[in-house]
Amino acid sequence: DIQMTQSPSSLSASVGDRVTITCRASQRINSFLNWYQQKPGKAPKLLIYAASTLQSGVPSRFSGGGSGTDFTLTISSLQPEDFATYICQQGYRTPWTFGLGTTVEIK
Amino acid sequence: QVQLQESGPGLVKPSQTLSLTCTVSGGSIRNGDYYWSWIRQHPGKGLEWIGNIYYSGGTYYNPSLDSRLTISIETSKNQFSLKLTSVTAADTAVYYCARVEKKEIDFDQWGRGTLVTVSS
Repeated sequence: DIQMTQSPSSLSASVGDRVTITCRASQRINSFLNWYQQKPGKAPKLLIYAASTLQSGVPSRFSGGGSGTDFTLTISSLQPEDFATYICQQGYRTPWTFGLGTTVEIK
Repeated sequence: QVQLQESGPGLVKPSQTLSLTCTVSGGSIRNGDYYWSWIRQHPGKGLEWIGNIYYSGGTYYNPSLDSRLTISIETSKNQFSLKLTSVTAADTAVYYCARVEKKEIDFDQWGRGTLVTVSS
Protein backbone atom coordinates (compact mmCIF):
# COMPACT_ATOMS: atom_id res chain seq x y z
CA ASP A 1 0.00 0.00 0.00
CA ILE A 2 1.09 3.59 -0.60
CA GLN A 3 1.66 5.33 2.73
CA MET A 4 0.76 9.00 3.03
CA THR A 5 2.67 10.96 5.69
CA GLN A 6 1.55 14.43 6.70
CA SER A 7 3.49 17.02 8.64
CA PRO A 8 3.05 18.55 11.02
CA SER A 9 0.36 16.49 12.78
CA SER A 10 -0.95 19.70 14.32
CA LEU A 11 -0.16 23.39 14.34
CA SER A 12 -1.33 26.53 16.08
CA ALA A 13 -1.87 29.66 14.04
CA SER A 14 -3.64 33.01 14.16
CA VAL A 15 -6.25 34.51 11.87
CA GLY A 16 -4.44 36.04 8.91
CA ASP A 17 -1.44 33.72 9.09
CA ARG A 18 -0.09 31.88 6.09
CA VAL A 19 -0.12 28.14 6.74
CA THR A 20 1.56 25.34 4.77
CA ILE A 21 0.95 21.63 5.30
CA THR A 22 3.06 18.90 3.72
CA CYS A 23 2.08 15.45 2.48
CA ARG A 24 4.61 12.86 1.35
CA ALA A 25 3.80 9.64 -0.50
CA SER A 26 5.86 6.48 0.00
CA GLN A 27 6.18 6.13 -3.80
CA ARG A 28 5.57 8.32 -6.81
CA ILE A 29 1.90 9.12 -7.38
CA ASN A 30 2.25 11.67 -10.21
CA SER A 31 -0.44 14.26 -9.45
CA PHE A 32 -3.07 11.90 -8.06
CA LEU A 33 -3.20 13.78 -4.79
CA ASN A 34 -6.29 15.33 -3.23
CA TRP A 35 -6.84 17.48 -0.13
CA TYR A 36 -9.84 17.49 2.18
CA GLN A 37 -11.00 19.59 5.10
CA GLN A 38 -12.78 17.87 7.98
CA LYS A 39 -14.47 19.55 10.93
CA PRO A 40 -15.49 17.64 14.10
CA GLY A 41 -18.50 15.41 13.56
CA LYS A 42 -18.66 16.20 9.85
CA ALA A 43 -17.75 14.42 6.64
CA PRO A 44 -14.59 15.48 4.82
CA LYS A 45 -14.98 18.14 2.15
CA LEU A 46 -12.93 18.10 -1.04
CA LEU A 47 -10.76 21.21 -1.35
CA ILE A 48 -8.19 20.43 -4.05
CA TYR A 49 -7.87 17.61 -6.57
CA ALA A 50 -5.10 16.62 -8.96
CA ALA A 51 -2.60 18.22 -6.57
CA SER A 52 -3.37 21.81 -7.52
CA THR A 53 -6.92 22.22 -8.92
CA LEU A 54 -9.33 24.06 -6.66
CA GLN A 55 -12.69 22.35 -6.25
CA SER A 56 -15.65 24.50 -7.29
CA GLY A 57 -16.79 26.82 -4.48
CA VAL A 58 -13.57 26.58 -2.46
CA PRO A 59 -12.04 29.97 -1.58
CA SER A 60 -8.97 31.01 -3.53
CA ARG A 61 -6.91 31.38 -0.34
CA PHE A 62 -6.45 27.60 -0.56
CA SER A 63 -3.82 26.33 -2.97
CA GLY A 64 -2.02 23.09 -3.62
CA GLY A 65 1.27 22.16 -5.19
CA GLY A 66 3.75 19.40 -5.83
CA SER A 67 4.00 16.21 -7.86
CA GLY A 68 5.71 12.86 -7.60
CA THR A 69 6.03 12.22 -3.88
CA ASP A 70 5.94 15.64 -2.18
CA PHE A 71 2.90 17.89 -1.98
CA THR A 72 1.78 20.99 -0.13
CA LEU A 73 -1.48 22.63 0.88
CA THR A 74 -1.24 26.36 1.58
CA ILE A 75 -3.80 28.66 3.16
CA SER A 76 -2.67 32.17 2.29
CA SER A 77 -4.57 34.03 5.02
CA LEU A 78 -6.18 31.86 7.68
CA GLN A 79 -9.83 32.63 8.40
CA PRO A 80 -11.84 31.62 11.50
CA GLU A 81 -13.74 28.98 9.52
CA ASP A 82 -10.47 27.32 8.43
CA PHE A 83 -9.70 25.84 11.85
CA ALA A 84 -10.12 22.16 11.04
CA THR A 85 -8.24 19.00 10.13
CA TYR A 86 -6.71 18.73 6.66
CA ILE A 87 -6.24 15.33 5.07
CA CYS A 88 -4.40 14.25 1.93
CA GLN A 89 -5.37 11.23 -0.19
CA GLN A 90 -3.72 9.41 -3.07
CA GLY A 91 -5.73 8.10 -5.99
CA TYR A 92 -2.80 6.66 -7.96
CA ARG A 93 -3.17 3.02 -6.96
CA THR A 94 -5.66 0.96 -4.99
CA PRO A 95 -6.05 0.66 -2.11
CA TRP A 96 -6.55 4.41 -2.12
CA THR A 97 -5.05 5.76 1.08
CA PHE A 98 -5.28 8.83 3.27
CA GLY A 99 -2.88 10.70 5.49
CA LEU A 100 -3.61 10.88 9.21
CA GLY A 101 -4.39 14.58 8.98
CA THR A 102 -3.04 17.91 10.17
CA THR A 103 -5.12 19.74 12.75
CA VAL A 104 -5.00 23.53 12.51
CA GLU A 105 -5.80 25.06 15.88
CA ILE A 106 -6.29 28.61 17.06
CA LYS A 107 -3.23 30.18 18.69
CA GLN B 1 -26.26 18.88 -6.39
CA VAL B 2 -25.90 15.18 -5.69
CA GLN B 3 -26.57 14.12 -2.10
CA LEU B 4 -25.75 10.81 -0.43
CA GLN B 5 -27.35 9.38 2.71
CA GLU B 6 -26.25 6.31 4.65
CA SER B 7 -28.78 4.13 6.45
CA GLY B 8 -28.63 0.98 8.52
CA PRO B 9 -28.34 -0.33 12.07
CA GLY B 10 -26.16 1.60 14.49
CA LEU B 11 -25.43 -1.45 16.61
CA VAL B 12 -24.24 -4.84 15.42
CA LYS B 13 -23.28 -7.85 17.54
CA PRO B 14 -19.84 -9.42 17.22
CA SER B 15 -19.59 -12.15 14.55
CA GLN B 16 -22.68 -10.83 12.77
CA THR B 17 -22.96 -8.94 9.46
CA LEU B 18 -22.83 -5.17 9.17
CA SER B 19 -25.18 -3.94 6.44
CA LEU B 20 -25.47 -0.35 5.21
CA THR B 21 -27.18 1.29 2.26
CA CYS B 22 -26.36 4.57 0.58
CA THR B 23 -29.17 6.39 -1.23
CA VAL B 24 -28.13 8.84 -3.93
CA SER B 25 -30.39 11.78 -4.76
CA GLY B 26 -30.09 14.70 -7.15
CA GLY B 27 -28.28 12.65 -9.77
CA SER B 28 -28.16 9.21 -11.37
CA ILE B 29 -26.03 6.42 -9.98
CA ARG B 30 -25.72 5.29 -13.63
CA ASN B 31 -23.46 8.26 -14.42
CA GLY B 32 -20.38 6.64 -15.94
CA ASP B 33 -18.09 9.44 -14.74
CA TYR B 34 -18.15 8.18 -11.16
CA TYR B 35 -17.49 5.27 -8.85
CA TRP B 36 -19.50 4.86 -5.65
CA SER B 37 -17.47 4.19 -2.55
CA TRP B 38 -17.47 3.31 1.14
CA ILE B 39 -14.95 4.79 3.57
CA ARG B 40 -14.74 4.40 7.33
CA GLN B 41 -13.16 6.33 10.16
CA HIS B 42 -12.38 4.66 13.47
CA PRO B 43 -13.06 6.91 16.48
CA GLY B 44 -10.39 9.60 16.62
CA LYS B 45 -8.45 8.00 13.75
CA GLY B 46 -7.77 8.41 10.07
CA LEU B 47 -9.87 7.52 7.05
CA GLU B 48 -9.81 4.02 5.53
CA TRP B 49 -11.08 3.32 2.03
CA ILE B 50 -13.23 0.18 2.11
CA GLY B 51 -14.11 -0.31 -1.54
CA ASN B 52 -16.19 0.92 -4.43
CA ILE B 53 -18.53 -0.10 -7.19
CA TYR B 54 -19.28 1.12 -10.71
CA TYR B 55 -22.80 1.37 -12.12
CA SER B 56 -22.09 -1.75 -14.22
CA GLY B 57 -21.45 -3.72 -11.03
CA GLY B 58 -17.66 -3.87 -11.20
CA THR B 59 -15.99 -3.60 -7.79
CA TYR B 60 -12.64 -2.77 -6.18
CA TYR B 61 -12.12 -3.81 -2.58
CA ASN B 62 -9.46 -2.96 -0.03
CA PRO B 63 -7.45 -6.21 0.29
CA SER B 64 -7.48 -5.80 4.08
CA LEU B 65 -11.26 -6.35 4.06
CA ASP B 66 -11.72 -8.31 0.84
CA SER B 67 -12.54 -11.68 2.41
CA ARG B 68 -15.43 -10.22 4.46
CA LEU B 69 -16.74 -7.58 2.10
CA THR B 70 -19.49 -7.31 -0.50
CA ILE B 71 -20.52 -4.08 -2.19
CA SER B 72 -23.56 -4.18 -4.46
CA ILE B 73 -25.57 -1.70 -6.47
CA GLU B 74 -29.25 -1.33 -7.28
CA THR B 75 -29.52 1.20 -10.08
CA SER B 76 -33.33 1.11 -10.16
CA LYS B 77 -33.36 2.49 -6.62
CA ASN B 78 -30.28 4.73 -7.02
CA GLN B 79 -28.69 2.89 -4.11
CA PHE B 80 -25.54 0.95 -3.33
CA SER B 81 -24.86 -1.20 -0.31
CA LEU B 82 -22.14 -2.57 1.93
CA LYS B 83 -22.06 -5.91 3.71
CA LEU B 84 -19.22 -6.75 6.07
CA THR B 85 -19.33 -10.20 7.67
CA SER B 86 -17.89 -11.57 10.92
CA VAL B 87 -17.53 -8.15 12.53
CA THR B 88 -15.51 -7.47 15.68
CA ALA B 89 -15.03 -4.42 17.88
CA ALA B 90 -12.31 -3.33 15.44
CA ASP B 91 -15.05 -2.63 12.89
CA THR B 92 -16.61 0.04 15.12
CA ALA B 93 -16.35 3.24 13.09
CA VAL B 94 -18.19 6.01 11.31
CA TYR B 95 -19.04 4.69 7.86
CA TYR B 96 -19.30 7.14 4.97
CA CYS B 97 -20.54 6.64 1.45
CA ALA B 98 -19.06 8.88 -1.20
CA ARG B 99 -18.95 9.59 -4.91
CA VAL B 100 -15.56 9.18 -6.61
CA GLU B 101 -14.72 11.18 -9.71
CA LYS B 102 -13.28 8.56 -12.03
CA LYS B 103 -10.61 10.62 -13.77
CA GLU B 104 -8.82 12.11 -10.77
CA ILE B 105 -9.95 9.60 -8.14
CA ASP B 106 -11.19 12.24 -5.72
CA PHE B 107 -14.09 11.80 -3.30
CA ASP B 108 -16.12 14.82 -4.34
CA GLN B 109 -19.42 14.21 -2.56
CA TRP B 110 -19.89 12.52 0.81
CA GLY B 111 -22.76 11.35 2.95
CA ARG B 112 -22.99 12.63 6.51
CA GLY B 113 -21.70 9.35 7.89
CA THR B 114 -23.24 6.85 10.26
CA LEU B 115 -21.69 5.45 13.43
CA VAL B 116 -21.76 1.67 13.64
CA THR B 117 -20.85 0.15 16.98
CA VAL B 118 -19.99 -3.54 17.29
CA SER B 119 -20.92 -4.71 20.75
CA SER B 120 -22.88 -7.47 22.44
